[in-house]
Amino acid sequence: DTEVTQTPKHLVMGMTNKKSLKCEQHMGHRAMYWYKQKAKKPPELMFVYSYEKLSINESVPSRFSPECPNSSLLNLHLHALQPEDSALYLCASSQAPIPYNEQFFGPGTRLTVL
Amino acid sequence: AQSVTQLDSQVPVFEEAPVELRCNYSSSVSVYLFWYVQYPNQGLQLLLKYLSGSTLVESINGFEAEFNKSQTSFHLRKPSVHISDTAEYFCAVSEGNGPASKLTFGTGTRLQVTL
Repeated sequence: DTEVTQTPKHLVMGMTNKKSLKCEQHMGHRAMYWYKQKAKKPPELMFVYSYEKLSINESVPSRFSPECPNSSLLNLHLHALQPEDSALYLCASSQAPIPYNEQFFGPGTRLTVL
Repeated sequence: AQSVTQLDSQVPVFEEAPVELRCNYSSSVSVYLFWYVQYPNQGLQLLLKYLSGSTLVESINGFEAEFNKSQTSFHLRKPSVHISDTAEYFCAVSEGNGPASKLTFGTGTRLQVTL
């Protein structure tokens, strides 16, 4: 199994809702990432988990809350989002948190905040 | 800090013509370089990477890129493009002594192949 899966594919939520994005990989990778990608822009790193511990938080607002329950699963909890948070949210994983390791990306969750 | 510049936001090209997508990087330390491709409504897929050794790297679908340290470039080339190569291409850099595997992406180049 060499893929990263993300659910749901699409999500529409109001500004008062609480929702979660899920990411899963079964490649034995020990580093997992969340990226945000706006239309016609490159992905922007949000969070990095190394061996299930949060190692990088790129000054992301607290309305985004990551969670890594185990080495295969990564969640992104969303609460009180703003319309400008609408974007494609990409999850990725790599074998280890090492600069030369390739990152494998999931297909993304397209989030719309009304 | 590392940075990546992709000067061409869009590159239109006819099918079977050659193409070059330009990428320049800036870093004060050793770097690892990547090209990712993103097809419409999909995630990113690794096309090829330079870690060390031979400066010319190739992908399985005919793309190649050459690492040029003196010019701090990692341009992507294909001698003959196909309609199916239409996609967004991102150059990315990861620093040798950076934290984790922190990729910095360029702004992307939209390759549009037409008949």
